[in-house]
Amino acid sequence: DGGITQSPKYLFRKEGQNVTLSCEQNLNHDAMYWYRQDPGQGLRLIYYSQIVNDFQKGDIAEGYSVSREKKESFPLTVTSAQKNPTAFYLCASSIPAGLGTIYFGEGSWLTVV
Amino acid sequence: DAKTTQPNSMESNEEEPVHLPCNHSTISGTDYIHWYRQLPSQGPEYVIHGLTSNVNNRMASLAIAEDRKSSTLILHRATLRDAAVYYCILKTSYDKVIFGPGTSLSVIP
Repeated sequence: DGGITQSPKYLFRKEGQNVTLSCEQNLNHDAMYWYRQDPGQGLRLIYYSQIVNDFQKGDIAEGYSVSREKKESFPLTVTSAQKNPTAFYLCASSIPAGLGTIYFGEGSWLTVV
Repeated sequence: DAKTTQPNSMESNEEEPVHLPCNHSTISGTDYIHWYRQLPSQGPEYVIHGLTSNVNNRMASLAIAEDRKSSTLILHRATLRDAAVYYCILKTSYDKVIFGPGTSLSVIP
């Protein structure tokens, strides 16, 4: 079935470590996004990519990095520079048009211990 | 900042219609209006979208004001499974998609 796969579902990180969250889609979508969600809050845009080898910062990009080497993959690295990384992270994709439906993955929970 | 504003929360009785409002006064001509809903600890799911005309699908209806500065998501008969956070967003071909805090809908049995 087509969709978006995020892994891992749960991840624990020690302070000072970098971690990478995986996001893979087989929907043939050009546009991909990463959002962060804190408990009881809405989604905040971290990074987005409209096409392979190109990406732009969202509203809260500090402490995060991404790459887009393949159309189907958009991994997010949470670096040690991110001071409060504990959150729910959501990856999404769509066709790059206003009418394009956004499809979300199931999310990844990151906890700093 | 989100380009849409919604009430923080709403309540509805089960099996009654629900009207969820959204204001988007700065909407541009190329912005599509999308609605998504999210259950706890899950990714949001698509509900409906439109550009200018009202839209209906099996899940809901979308009523868009003539000046496009506001819209209303209509759930015709609320069920307990409709309890979720509902997000109204604007989407353009530029693809920077910003979500606001959404409306938390409670359904009372």
